[in-house]
Formats: sequence, structure tokens, C-alpha cells
Amino acid sequence: EAQVTQNPRYLITVTGKKLTVTCSQNMNHEYMSWYRQDPGLGLRQIYYSMNVEVTDKGDVPEGYKVSRKEKRNFPLILESPSPNQTSLYFCASSLSSGVVYNEQFFGPGTRLTVL
Amino acid sequence: AQKVTQAQTEISVVEKEDVTLDCVYETRDTTYYLFWYKQPPSGELVFLIRRNSFDEQNEISGRYSWNFQKSTSSFNFTITASQVVDSAVYFCALSEASFGNEKLTFGTGTRLTIIP
Repeated sequence: EAQVTQNPRYLITVTGKKLTVTCSQNMNHEYMSWYRQDPGLGLRQIYYSMNVEVTDKGDVPEGYKVSRKEKRNFPLILESPSPNQTSLYFCASSLSSGVVYNEQFFGPGTRLTVL
Repeated sequence: AQKVTQAQTEISVVEKEDVTLDCVYETRDTTYYLFWYKQPPSGELVFLIRRNSFDEQNEISGRYSWNFQKSTSSFNFTITASQVVDSAVYFCALSEASFGNEKLTFGTGTRLTIIP
């Protein structure tokens, strides 16, 4: 089954304790992206990747890191989480052709609480 | 810069009533894509529809219909004969068709509650 998976689905942590949220897709997609969803703000892009070893900042990258060492994986790293990073996080992927827009497939979401 | 406005924060209707969710967008591109997503209480994002800027034909899918009007930069979503299962947060989104970042710019969402 074609899908985007995220782990963990739920996480409660404390300020300053490094964490990683994993994202994996099995569709051989080139493009992957992370969003965060906050009440009253909708979803906002954090980082994106056009291919292996190619990543760039989205609209709200502060406090986050990403890596793209393999095509299927795009982990989101919070080196020193703070309470303002409490949010619902979504990973997305698509087959990027560079010419025609392709549908983005979203993961199930990760609900993160930073105390 | 691109922007999506969903002015209706929350809507409540009685079951079987029709309801329209408004979406107004801003973009400087002539080629772009518009989307609607549903987020049920379980939290996942469910893709409903994609429309490109060159296709203004309205679309109907069962009880759902979409009205795309470039003249008013709107892409409204109507649910006919609403059901309790339609209760969810609905997001309108926009993507400019430029090579590279296929970012979706989302509206702030409309929470729809269907009252039995």
C-alpha cells in the first residue's frame, strides 16, 4: 500500500531534550516536506527536500533541522525543543516532475507536546 | 506572495441542510493549483479535490461540489444534504506551479459541525 508513515504518532517531552520525528514513504517520491499545524494558523511549511541531499527552508524553519540521506526518509530533528514547538506535525511527499504539479500525500501526523 | 483566506472559522448546521465553505486566494502566478482537504476528528488530512487555474469548470462529486471563479479569486465548497460524518475541519490550499518547492499554502481552516 502506497503510504507516508510517521513515528511516533504522539510524543510528550521536556524542554531541551533532543528528539527526532521520522518520516518514510514507499512511493519513490523525490519531493518531501514537513508542515506544522497550529490553531488559527492552518498548516505552515517547515522544510522541504527536492531530492537526496537537497533540502531547503520553508516558512517556519527556526528550531528545526532535517536531513535527506535516503530517498524514502526525511526525518525532522528538534535539537532543543521548546514549548512553542508544541504542535501537530505532518510529513508529505510527491513525485516531483518539475513541470506538472503532482498530488502531495500526507502522513498521519505526529502530535508533539513540549513541557 | 500567495495567501489563502477562509473567513469562516466555525459553522454549525443541522443535518440535511446544505452548507458552503468559502475560500478566497491571492497569487501573482497565472498557473496555480487549488485544493480542499478534510481533517476529521482523528486528525489525518484527507484529500478532496485539486483544481488547476486553467480549469474553471465546476465539479460535483456526490454530495460535494466546488465552485471555482477566477474573477473573484474564490474556490468555494458546498456540501449538499449534510451528514454528521461531514463534521470536520476543512482546509483550502493553494500551490503555485513553480519548479522546486511544491509548497501548499493553507488557509486557517473552517470547523464544520453537523448537528444531528
